[in-house]
Amino acid sequence: KQEVTQIPAALSVPEGENLVLNCSFTDSAIYNLQWFRQDPGKGLTSLLLIQSSQREQTSGRLNASLDKSSGRSTLYIAASQPGDSATYLCAVINPLTGTYKYIFGTGTRLKVLA
Amino acid sequence: DTGVSQDPRHKITKRGQNVTFRCDPISEHNRLYWYRQTLGQGPEFLTYFQNEAQLEKSRLLSDRFSAERPKGSFSTLEIQRTEQGDSAMYLCASSLTAVKSGGYTFGSGTRLTVV
Repeated sequence: KQEVTQIPAALSVPEGENLVLNCSFTDSAIYNLQWFRQDPGKGLTSLLLIQSSQREQTSGRLNASLDKSSGRSTLYIAASQPGDSATYLCAVINPLTGTYKYIFGTGTRLKVLA
Repeated sequence: DTGVSQDPRHKITKRGQNVTFRCDPISEHNRLYWYRQTLGQGPEFLTYFQNEAQLEKSRLLSDRFSAERPKGSFSTLEIQRTEQGDSAMYLCASSLTAVKSGGYTFGSGTRLTVV
């Protein structure tokens, strides 16, 4: 059974710091991995999608890497800003289950201090 | 197309009442998913549709829950005889059949509070 773990559970950093959020999954046979952002009381906003054949994706100050063999993904945020404060969730699809549903981690709550 | 829409945004109901939520996916997306999220947790899968066919239901979806997607467009999620444990954020997402290329797009969610 696929399990997704995110470390740390919470993180507080001063503005301007570069930071790394970690996501690990137990079954490396994933279809793709998607990083989402969630503001309090809101839905999920897609940040980056990495297909199983890809190693990384970049969007602005965000870079996500994927290492399937070790079951890990990292989300790198450069020059953090207070507006980056949110919960960051990673999710994977394991096609061997026969469906295309995402399994989510519990998220990392990020607070960027001005 | 403005993305995935969910209605209502918030619902407060008394225990024992029935509630129904609606989700309008991105028009060209033929897959639609329902998830439930409680405070401090990641979303948990409830069910998904490909066009009008409901292809999988989680064990989380008790007999009090029913979902439909009658014409392969919008979907409804109904909870009968609500319980306090049903209080959560209910999230809807849609995708193309080729999930690999586009991933999921989520709506803003419906926050249910059962009092």
